[in-house]
Amino acid sequence: QLQLQESGSGLVKPSQTLSLTCAVSGGSISSGGYSWSWIRQPPGKGLEWIGYIYHSGSTYYNPSLKSRVTISVDRSKNQFSLKLSSVTAADTAVYYCARRIVVVPELGYYFDYWGQGTLVTVSS
Amino acid sequence: EIVLTQSPATLSLSPGERATLSCRASQSVSSYLAWYQQKPGQAPRLLIYDASNRATGIPARFSGSGSGTDFTLTISSLEPEDFAVYYCQQRGAFGPGTKVDIK
Repeated sequence: QLQLQESGSGLVKPSQTLSLTCAVSGGSISSGGYSWSWIRQPPGKGLEWIGYIYHSGSTYYNPSLKSRVTISVDRSKNQFSLKLSSVTAADTAVYYCARRIVVVPELGYYFDYWGQGTLVTVSS
Repeated sequence: EIVLTQSPATLSLSPGERATLSCRASQSVSSYLAWYQQKPGQAPRLLIYDASNRATGIPARFSGSGSGTDFTLTISSLEPEDFAVYYCQQRGAFGPGTKVDIK
């Protein structure tokens, strides 16, 4: 059974960089047909997709966050990471990592396995 | 950019009743739409993909339909564990959610 587990700092100061890692177990991050995503949810609000990465290292980001986001992969550790720079209070959210499964490239994809989520608070 | 709208925002029903949730896309997405269930303090769970296919382990009381711009998630008979928030999703876009709560 595939499992994803987020880890990282739960408190980040404004203007600093948020850093999170997602460890994947029960399967290889290099498996074909999948990519690895970050999704966030501000308290009491809906879901916002942040971006995804393939095991090759190719990335695609939400245009609204693109200038501040970097997603990277470490195949040797079977994990991938998120960095979000210049954070503000608006970045306070539960951050989820998830596996993205593509049905039809550029048309249909879904998120079939999720981590439990980690709350990141931006505050001085 | 596709925008998804969901209605109603809240649906108040009793156990055993039928729930019908709607998701509308701002442009045609063919059948490439998914539904997720989220309970408090938990991650979303994939219920339906490709508009009508149940994900692994999802009970048969959950069904999806629709194509183009209009989609429906139906829960045929609500169980106590079905009271939750439901989101539709198409590529990087999520709908705002429908909360199904106990009447």
